[in-house]
Parts: sequence; C-alpha cells; structure tokens
Amino acid sequence: EPEVTQTPSHQVTQMGQEVILRCVPISNHLYFYWYRQILGQKVEFLVSFYNNEISEKSEIFDDQFSVERPDGSNFTLKIRSTKLEDSAMYFCASAARLSNTGELFFGEGSRLTVL
Amino acid sequence: GENVEQHPSTLSVQEGDSAVIKCTYSDSASNYFPWYKQELGKGPQLIIDIRSNVGEKKDQRIAVTLNKTAKHFSLHITETQPEDSAVYFCAAPGGSQGNLIFGKGTKLSVKP
Repeated sequence: EPEVTQTPSHQVTQMGQEVILRCVPISNHLYFYWYRQILGQKVEFLVSFYNNEISEKSEIFDDQFSVERPDGSNFTLKIRSTKLEDSAMYFCASAARLSNTGELFFGEGSRLTVL
Repeated sequence: GENVEQHPSTLSVQEGDSAVIKCTYSDSASNYFPWYKQELGKGPQLIIDIRSNVGEKKDQRIAVTLNKTAKHFSLHITETQPEDSAVYFCAAPGGSQGNLIFGKGTKLSVKP
C-alpha cells in the first residue's frame, strides 16, 4: 500500500539552528500538507501546498517556516532558526483531491527536539 | 474560522463494551467530517468519515452519526477490543484548500 514517508524520524537540535524535515508524499497525490503536534496536544495545521505554491497557512506558519518541493517528489519543511517551542512532532500529509472529497494520508512523523 | 470541540478527553471501557466519542463544530458550512485513529508513535490514520448529505455511516464495528442542526457528530465503536486502544481525533474542514481542524483527541483504553 502506498504511504507517505518522512525523514528523519527524530532530530535533536540546538536553539537557533536551521532544521529541514523531509517528506515523500504518495506519488500521484497533488495536495501536500504539514501539521504539527506538541506532545499530548491536538494536531495543528501549518500549511497546505498545491501546484508548487502555498495555498493556505495558519498563524503558526510565520516567517521562520518555509516549504518547497524541489524535485517533484520530496516536500520539505524548513525552520530557519528553531525555538524551544518548536519542539513537536511534525506530520506530513498528502491527498489526491481536496479533503472534502478525498482522504488525507499522514506520514509517521518527525519528532523535533530543540534544546 | 472553524472550531472543533471533542469529548471526553479520556475514555476507559471493558473489552466488549461500546465507546462513544462526541464532537461539535462551529461552521455550519462544513460538509465533511473524518475520524482519525492515532496509535502510539504513529501518524493519524483515517478510520471513517461522513459527509453532510447523510446522517449515519457504518463500517463493521464503527459508525459515525451527524446532526447538522445541532452541529455535532459522534463516533461509535461497538464490541471494543484491546487493539482499539489509541487516541481518536475528529476533524472538520479548516479552509478551502483541504486542510483539517482537529479536535483535542480522546485517549481510548480498552481493558481486557
């Protein structure tokens, strides 16, 4: 069964460092998302990406965050200068169609720990 | 924007009993309501969803009901098994680009 894969599974970084989280969405999907989940809390939307541009973003997705799809397969989330409060599980998701008509498939997540 | 509330936050049942998790939403224009199951250390996985043109949908031991007037929807799991133990999230559309707004989650524990 096709799946969304994410790397790394766990990254530890020092505050102020740049972090790049990588995702390989399901191959025929067109819509891509990043969500985050702070430990023990709900899953929060960060950003959606379609047709090589951001289609929607939340208040959490400030100037420290960026996304790109550099080669048509990988979908990356970059945090330019990490803060302690960026520590969370980051989930990538993809969909063949918009979620009100099709399923959102999630990866297993990348745990980011900022020290 | 959409706001999703979910109750209870924790639920413990005996194996074989039923479990019910409830959610409310705020945007009357929302038309799609999925339920996700998250096992420890894994990403959320869709288990069932319902669209606003129906009031109930069933898939083996799980069912979802939707009351559009009251703006609430519920997940029902019958004949619970230990492998049903997980965190369950309800969700509703958060915008026009397919993003979802999740509830805070319900940790379900099924005791053998």
